[in-house]
Amino acid sequence: DQQVKQNSPSLSVQEGRISILNCDYTNSMFDYFLWYKKYPAEGPTFLISISSIKDKNEDGRFTVFLNKSAKHLSLHIVPSQPGDSAVYFCAARDSGYALNFGKGTSLLVTP
Amino acid sequence: NAGVMQNPRHLVRRRGQEARLRCSPMKGHSHVYWYRQLPEEGLKFMVYLQKENIIDESGMPKERFSAEFPKEGPSILRIQQVVRGDSAAYFCASSPTTLAGGGETQYFGPGTRLLVL
Repeated sequence: DQQVKQNSPSLSVQEGRISILNCDYTNSMFDYFLWYKKYPAEGPTFLISISSIKDKNEDGRFTVFLNKSAKHLSLHIVPSQPGDSAVYFCAARDSGYALNFGKGTSLLVTP
Repeated sequence: NAGVMQNPRHLVRRRGQEARLRCSPMKGHSHVYWYRQLPEEGLKFMVYLQKENIIDESGMPKERFSAEFPKEGPSILRIQQVVRGDSAAYFCASSPTTLAGGGETQYFGPGTRLLVL
């Protein structure tokens, strides 16, 4: 039962352009959403989060947008850099403790 | 300011052996979470512990798996009589307070890659 879905397994973007990673969820009880970045053989690194009371959160080159009515969130990276190449995981939680992860989107930023 | 520490980073076991995975949370964090990642999958929650207490083990397999977080020392995830299907990356995360009702983030360690032969 996959409650968090990242339907694009991979994405390729040119350096300097915008990367948009998408995430959909099915559980309307989710109230906190996070994006993690993961390099091979390393653990996930926290990037940015957003509470359900907001629709946008920005941190430097990273912006997360939340559309609760559509149960959709997206991560925008602008401008994209080669060092951004990694797997990006969307995660969500309700009032409990567990983070529910998507399967990830592999981003490749080409020079 | 050290992050979440996990050891070993890689562990090879034969079927039927025991695997012990260790996790030291970030300084100041008293809440530990274990997740498992199978190939081509996202991370799946296993268990949430505070010092000397298991709070939520809803994601733990009913048999062979156990976890503890003693008053002193690291958190341990123990897998008895390992089978090939246990081969995965096991990640530990920590947070400073409970997430319930709050917005605290979980910070992850580098993981232990378990290979069962």
